[in-house]
Amino acid sequence: EIVMTQSPATLSVSPGERATLSCRASQSVSSNLAWYQQKPGQAPRLLIYGASTRATGFPARFSGSGSGTEFTLTISSLQSEDFAVYYCQQYNDWPPGTFGQGTKVEIK
Amino acid sequence: EVQLVESGGGLVQPGGSLRLSCAASGFTFSNYAMSWVRQTPGKGLEWVSVISNGGGSTYYADSVKGRFTISRDNTNNTLYLQMSSLRAGDTAVYYCAKDRSSSAFSPSDYWGQGTLVTVSS
Repeated sequence: EIVMTQSPATLSVSPGERATLSCRASQSVSSNLAWYQQKPGQAPRLLIYGASTRATGFPARFSGSGSGTEFTLTISSLQSEDFAVYYCQQYNDWPPGTFGQGTKVEIK
Repeated sequence: EVQLVESGGGLVQPGGSLRLSCAASGFTFSNYAMSWVRQTPGKGLEWVSVISNGGGSTYYADSVKGRFTISRDNTNNTLYLQMSSLRAGDTAVYYCAKDRSSSAFSPSDYWGQGTLVTVSS
């Protein structure tokens, strides 16, 4: 089973600043990597798929990069609505479609 | 508008059974694979199971294999998860999710609001 490791666990960022979240796979997942955003009391929302393709409804300040085992989610200028937990998920090697443990982006 | 509405959660004793349902609308249900993902209160996400668009292929997490069965009714646009031999560790919010493709190997682009399953005596 592929293990997904996200860092940091918590990221404290001021509004308007840049946030960089990392996701590492225990073995190559090619570009079969997705990012999800989850706000308190809500279901996750697909944010990025194919490592770098933004899903419907998300603005350009969100970007994904990487391939193989190292991936990054960047939020260029944090807005108040971006404070949430972000999860990565690999879908290269099923089952299972393993998730990372999440990175909480909180207001500094 | 895509809508996924789960039902069937509740309190069940260890060793008991429960069937979750997910009513889908707003898209051609029979064209897409569907998944169940669970989330332990206050913790992260765990993929549980996926079924291909026609129902011919199903996959399970090792933690539920042999105890849970995923199925779908493409006539009535409904996804199911039959859960048996339930354990305390199965306590979680269960999400129904629509996958991006017809096969079983794609991320989930729409999620329901979840239904809480509590396994306790």
